[in-house]
Amino acid sequence: DIAITQSPSSVAVSVGETVTLSCKSSQSLLYSENNKDYLGWYQQKPGQTPKPLIYWATNRHTGVPDRFTGSGSGTDFTLIISSVQAEDLADYYCEQYFVYPRTFGGGTKLELK
Amino acid sequence: EVQLQQSGAELGKPGTSVKLSCKVSGYNIRSTYMHWVNQRPGKGLEWIGRIDPANGNTIYAEKFKSKATLTADTSSNTAYMQLSQLKSDDTAIYFCAIPYYYDGYYHLFAYWGQGTLVTVSS
Repeated sequence: DIAITQSPSSVAVSVGETVTLSCKSSQSLLYSENNKDYLGWYQQKPGQTPKPLIYWATNRHTGVPDRFTGSGSGTDFTLIISSVQAEDLADYYCEQYFVYPRTFGGGTKLELK
Repeated sequence: EVQLQQSGAELGKPGTSVKLSCKVSGYNIRSTYMHWVNQRPGKGLEWIGRIDPANGNTIYAEKFKSKATLTADTSSNTAYMQLSQLKSDDTAIYFCAIPYYYDGYYHLFAYWGQGTLVTVSS
């Protein structure tokens, strides 16, 4: 199975700051046929279901604000949240969907400083 | 609007089974894969498996191969997951989910059920 490691496990930020979340895969998620990375990001607020943010490592899902930016390729990926808003405080998960079984990272909790 | 309506909370005794349902509206399940994901209290997300409702083909994560059984009824547009031989470690919220389909590929999960809490206790 592909192991996904997220760091940090939690991070405290102030509103307006920029924060970078890391996601590392034990194997490359790059599909050579289309040069796309099969890595996605989710946001989950307490008591809610996960909300899709980013697919193919860099593409924002419908309706996602442009302060959320996904980058990276191969085995190393990041989610950058620019000018963090109070509504962004949540848990963030990355997931590989390159191969079965699909696997998630352990998550990063974004908290208010 | 796509909606996934899951069945209510379950309280199961150790060693018994429970069967969860996920009724989909606004989307024909024959045209997608239905996935199941769990989340233990205070923990992260874990993929359980998926079913192709069009033909019944299933894929499971190794640890769930003898735990979960996925089925689907296309006539009612409903997916099911049976959990057997319940243990306290199976206590979790179980979600059904449909992946986003774009450019010929399935991507991250765009639609989620509200989750079913399964509590295993004697």
